Amino acid sequence: EIVLTQSPPTLSLSPGERATLSCRASQNIRDYLAWYQQKPGQAPRLLMFDASNRATGIPARFSGSGSGTDFTLTISSLEPEDFAVYYCQQRSNWPRLTFGGGTKVEIK
Amino acid sequence: QLQLQESGPGLVKPSETLSLTCTVSGGSITSSDYYWGWIRQPPGKGLEWIGNIYYSGSTYYNPSLESRVTMTVDTSKNQFSLKLRSVTAADTAVYYCARDYRGGDYWGQGTLVTVSS
Repeated sequence: EIVLTQSPPTLSLSPGERATLSCRASQNIRDYLAWYQQKPGQAPRLLMFDASNRATGIPARFSGSGSGTDFTLTISSLEPEDFAVYYCQQRSNWPRLTFGGGTKVEIK
Repeated sequence: QLQLQESGPGLVKPSETLSLTCTVSGGSITSSDYYWGWIRQPPGKGLEWIGNIYYSGSTYYNPSLESRVTMTVDTSKNQFSLKLRSVTAADTAVYYCARDYRGGDYWGQGTLVTVSS
């Protein structure tokens, strides 16, 4: 089973700052990684697929990078609505999937 | 606009079977491009993938749950379903259904299932 480790667990930042979230896979998953955003009381929302492709309607301030075992989600300048929990999901042995443990981006 | 809606009991007794249905509207469950999945989230915790099903009935389950899970599809009703047997308090969670295509791009709102006597 592929294990995804997200870091840090919590990121405390101010609006306008840059956020850098990490996701590390226990084995090579090429670029088969997705990112999700989840706000309290809501279902997750797909942000990125195939590591670096923005999903429909996702603002350009969100970007993804990485391949193999190390991946990054970057939010270039945090907007108030970006404070949420972010999850990565590996898709290299799709349709079998796993999620990372999540990173909470909170207001400093 | 595609919509997914979970339905089923909100309370299940320990050792019994949890049964949920996801109804898909605004699109066909028989589209060849997509899998349909269940994901759960215990209160205050992260996401756990339960399994995916194709409209043909092919299923793929989380190994940690595989011995207790069955997913089925009813194409005539545009629905797919989840059964989780022998539940315990650890199965208390919000259960989501979702369409899977390069990622879960459409999700239901989620339904809280509590396991308690």
